[in-house]
Parts: sequence; C-alpha cells; structure tokens
Amino acid sequence: GESVGLHLPTLSVQEGDNSIINCAYSNSASDYFIWYKQESGKGPQFIIDIRSNMDKRQGQRVTVLLNKTVKHLSLQIAATQPGDSAVYFCAPLLGSSNTGKLIFGQGTTLQVKP
Amino acid sequence: EAQVTQNPRYLITVTGKKLTVTCSQNMNHEYMSWYRQDPGLGLRQIYYSMNVEVTDKGDVPEGYKVSRKEKRNFPLILESPSPNQTSLYFCASSSRTNEKLFFGSGTQLSVL
Repeated sequence: GESVGLHLPTLSVQEGDNSIINCAYSNSASDYFIWYKQESGKGPQFIIDIRSNMDKRQGQRVTVLLNKTVKHLSLQIAATQPGDSAVYFCAPLLGSSNTGKLIFGQGTTLQVKP
Repeated sequence: EAQVTQNPRYLITVTGKKLTVTCSQNMNHEYMSWYRQDPGLGLRQIYYSMNVEVTDKGDVPEGYKVSRKEKRNFPLILESPSPNQTSLYFCASSSRTNEKLFFGSGTQLSVL
C-alpha cells in the first residue's frame, strides 16, 4: 500500500537554530502535500501546504521544499522556538482532490532545547 | 472563532454500550471526516462526508457509523464498542475535500 515515512522519529535542536524535518512518500502521482503540527494533547494543526507544480513555498518562519524526482519533501523551521516543540507529520494526497485521501505519516517529534 | 468542536474530550465505557461522539464545525465546511490515531499507526480515516446526507467509508470503518443530517454536525456512533476501539479520535473539516483540514481537539476513548 501507499506509505509515508519520516526519516527521524525524533529531532532535537537548540533554541534559535534552524530545524529540518524530512518526509518521503511512495506515490509519484501525489500532487498535493500538507504539513501538520501536533502539540501534546491537541489535534493536528495545519502549517503549510504545497502543490506539485511548485518546489518551494514559504510561510511565516517555515519553508517547505518538494523534490518530486526523489519523492521527498522537507519542512524547514527558522529560528526554532520552544513553542515549536511538537510532532510534525506530512500528508501527501493520494488521488484527486475530490476523491483521493490524505496519507498521514507517523510523525517526527521535534524537541527544542532552551 | 473558527473551530471544530468534539465532545466528550475523554470517555471511558464498557464493551457493548452504545456511544456517540459529537462533532460540530462553525466554518460552513462541506467536507468532514473522522480519524483515529494509534501509536505506531498514525492517523487513519474512519468515515468521511462530502456534504449533507453524503457519507462514505474510509480505511477503517468497521464498528463505526456516522450521519450527516446537517452541514455543521458529523457524529460518530459506536453501536457496540469493543476494546480494540480504544483510541484517540479526531474530527476534521475543510472547505474543499482533503485540503487544509481543520482538526478538533480529540476524544480519548477507552473501552473496557
């Protein structure tokens, strides 16, 4: 079946450093991708999305890079803060927007050290 | 404030006792969905609804029912809960199917 894998289950960074969270997906037909942040005891929160006709998209302190050739995307967080500590997971869309489904990975836990 | 509201937040029940987890959104979203989250398995879709009176099975629908009589509400029904349905449940909604899903805060269900 389809799969989504993140390269590291846990990432520990120093406050103020940049964080890079990686995600690999299996289906080359995926054309839409979402990154979510899930803090302890809360539901997933939308961070940023990107379509396959782009290879980079920037938000506030976050950048998503998409490499369709190797089926890989990454989430970069600039100047990581303690409030960024959470589980991050990517969700490629498998199929069309109307009939497909989002495939959620298991997530990378980001730990920010003060 | 735009939000997806689930109730209850925590629920402990016994095998076979019917229960309903409510979900309501105030964003006039057409698309709503239920997920369960289990350690090591990530988020798995149970049921989804693309509009009022339109529901469809997700990846793990067995043992669950849903209804969509109104646009804002999408309750999840467990007619006869079993211990393997112990999980963390999330309701989500979006204006367009599968895009920018807004999630509720979750319902932690324990079936004894």
